[in-house]
Amino acid sequence: GAVVSQHPSRVICKSGTSVKIECRSLDFQATTMFWYRQFPKQSLMLMATSNEGSKATYEQGVEKDKFLINHASLTLSTLTVTSAHPEDSSFYICSAPSGGGTDTQYFGPGTRLTVL
Amino acid sequence: LAKTTQPISMDSYEGQEVNITCSHNNIATNDYITWYQQFPSQGPRFIIQGYKTKVTNEVASLFIPADRKSSTLSLPRVSLSDTAVYYCPPLGGGYNKLIFGAGTRLAVHP
Repeated sequence: GAVVSQHPSRVICKSGTSVKIECRSLDFQATTMFWYRQFPKQSLMLMATSNEGSKATYEQGVEKDKFLINHASLTLSTLTVTSAHPEDSSFYICSAPSGGGTDTQYFGPGTRLTVL
Repeated sequence: LAKTTQPISMDSYEGQEVNITCSHNNIATNDYITWYQQFPSQGPRFIIQGYKTKVTNEVASLFIPADRKSSTLSLPRVSLSDTAVYYCPPLGGGYNKLIFGAGTRLAVHP
């Protein structure tokens, strides 16, 4: 299947700082990517849709000024958690449709964010 | 977007066939049915996808009845490494969004 990578795999930061997470499609182009958040023992929650060349679309209840998304190219989307607080500590996962007729979605390995 | 319902957990033993059923009563006409496997601290891994009837690949089979209101993921001869959470989010044609339900936590025992 198609490969999606994320960087970093884990990050620890102090409260009040900003953290950037990268999501890359390695062997295909993705005009759309998705960002999810997952708390321990819970399911994935869709945060936003990242669109190449236009603004991201955020799900209800997700603060767009808090979670900045930039789709810089056809293979890269970034999620910046601004002024992070301990409650932002979570597992952040991105996905991208591989194209083709059924647009199967492939997920990155995830980024573990811990805010102290 | 269609909401899914699955058993919260299942237990099995090595070598057995495991069938996990997902209910998606209001699935849209254009939606595909997808199944993912997730291990702790990893992103979901794509297993299989189908629209109707039966689909089989090297790791699983997917059975979809004619009304498409449910689907069953069949894992033949499970091993300990199949212990994971399994999700069945419908794949919408227009937005490609995947909305995840609670998933089924499968535990395979020796």
